[in-house]
Amino acid sequence: AQSVAQPEDQVNVAEGNPLTVKCTYSVSGNPYLFWYVQYPNRGLQFLLKYITGDNLVKGSYGFEAEFNKSQTSFHLKKPSALVSDSALYFCAVSAYFGNEKLTFGTGTRLTIIP
Amino acid sequence: SQTIHQWPATLVQPVGSPLSLECTVEGTSNPNLYWYRQAAGRGLQLLFYSVGIGQISSEVPQNLSASRPQDRQFILSSKKLLLSDSGFYLCAWNAGTAAYEQYFGPGTRLTVT
Repeated sequence: AQSVAQPEDQVNVAEGNPLTVKCTYSVSGNPYLFWYVQYPNRGLQFLLKYITGDNLVKGSYGFEAEFNKSQTSFHLKKPSALVSDSALYFCAVSAYFGNEKLTFGTGTRLTIIP
Repeated sequence: SQTIHQWPATLVQPVGSPLSLECTVEGTSNPNLYWYRQAAGRGLQLLFYSVGIGQISSEVPQNLSASRPQDRQFILSSKKLLLSDSGFYLCAWNAGTAAYEQYFGPGTRLTVT
């Protein structure tokens, strides 16, 4: 079975400060890891993914995420937060080639304070 | 480029009425297709997925069903809606393996009254 945990329901960050949204996962075998963002009443937008290779993955809108195998984590980061980054963020995991299903975390609401 | 459409955008239906939500994808062939439900603006629940025409896998054995009559068309149905069917329904597609990201449609907000 595969699972994802986003331990923080809500994260507040001052504009211009660095932000981190946490994610830990559990899978059998090598993970495929994803971050998505959702704005109110909209579908999810893909931000970035880790499949293999470099542990630091860069994605859209200046976001990046670091894969840490020993800690089974895939935290989302951005060096300088913008008010427009305020949204709901989802981490997701899949495992092994051929498994078509993603398992999503419960989401973290990120609020950037002007 | 690929585009995913969902309609209707919003729907208000009485308890016991039927449901049909449609999802279509443009610009790709033989995609994997997915239906999710999101309750209260938080976690996503996978309802159905399909790896090809007529191939449907159900994750939630409730009063919903799904069909894939064409390669890029995915339909979510119910014969009789329940109050608990209210939610935000999202369709998604990917290129066919777990390594590929899923792309989501704009969603349908269903309210059962």
